[in-house]
Amino acid sequence: KNQVEQSPQSLIILEGKNCTLQCNYTVSPFSNLRWYKQDTGRGPVSLTIMTFSENTKSNGRYTATLDADTKQSSLHITASQLSDSASYICVVQGGSQGNLIFGKGTKLSVKP
Amino acid sequence: GAVVSQHPSWVICKSGTSVKIECRSLDFQATTMFWYRQFPKQSLMLMATSNEGSKATYEQGVEKDKFLINHASLTLSTLTVTSAHPEDSSFYICSARWTRTLSYNEQFFGPGTRLTVL
Repeated sequence: KNQVEQSPQSLIILEGKNCTLQCNYTVSPFSNLRWYKQDTGRGPVSLTIMTFSENTKSNGRYTATLDADTKQSSLHITASQLSDSASYICVVQGGSQGNLIFGKGTKLSVKP
Repeated sequence: GAVVSQHPSWVICKSGTSVKIECRSLDFQATTMFWYRQFPKQSLMLMATSNEGSKATYEQGVEKDKFLINHASLTLSTLTVTSAHPEDSSFYICSARWTRTLSYNEQFFGPGTRLTVL
């Protein structure tokens, strides 16, 4: 079964600190892995997209890694800001239909 | 990046009425649009996929007669929730796909519509 699992479910950190969010997937065939940021009551906004051959991609203070062998990805947030408070969703495109398969997200709260 | 809008952003209606939600790609032509539903603390769940000018493809368990999708142009898709009931209360999100010559097709999400059925 094609699945995307994220951990932790929620995370609270202090402003200025770094954090790393994890994503494991069992999707076959694999096309690409995406990280999205979703603010409360808003639609997801793309942070990074990585294909099979890419193992790291950065977008400002966000750095995503991909290990296609172990089917794991991480999203590292550097020097967190209050505006980073949101849900971060790992999404894998793949499967026989090429659909997007969503994880449940990690809810990040950045406190002052 | 490309912009996708939704209207309305929130709507409250009485049980039994129908509600129409619009999804527009503002600065690109979307070959395919997707409709998702998201319940609190849950993942986005794909409801249906629609290609311009053809009938929508619904996911298993989604009633096509209840959730009417029209994709009349490359920039507009509508979702109509017919005879809405309280259990239809949810966050509805559309996305639009712009096919390019890359190894993946980018999807851009709308801001979502919060539907509350009383």
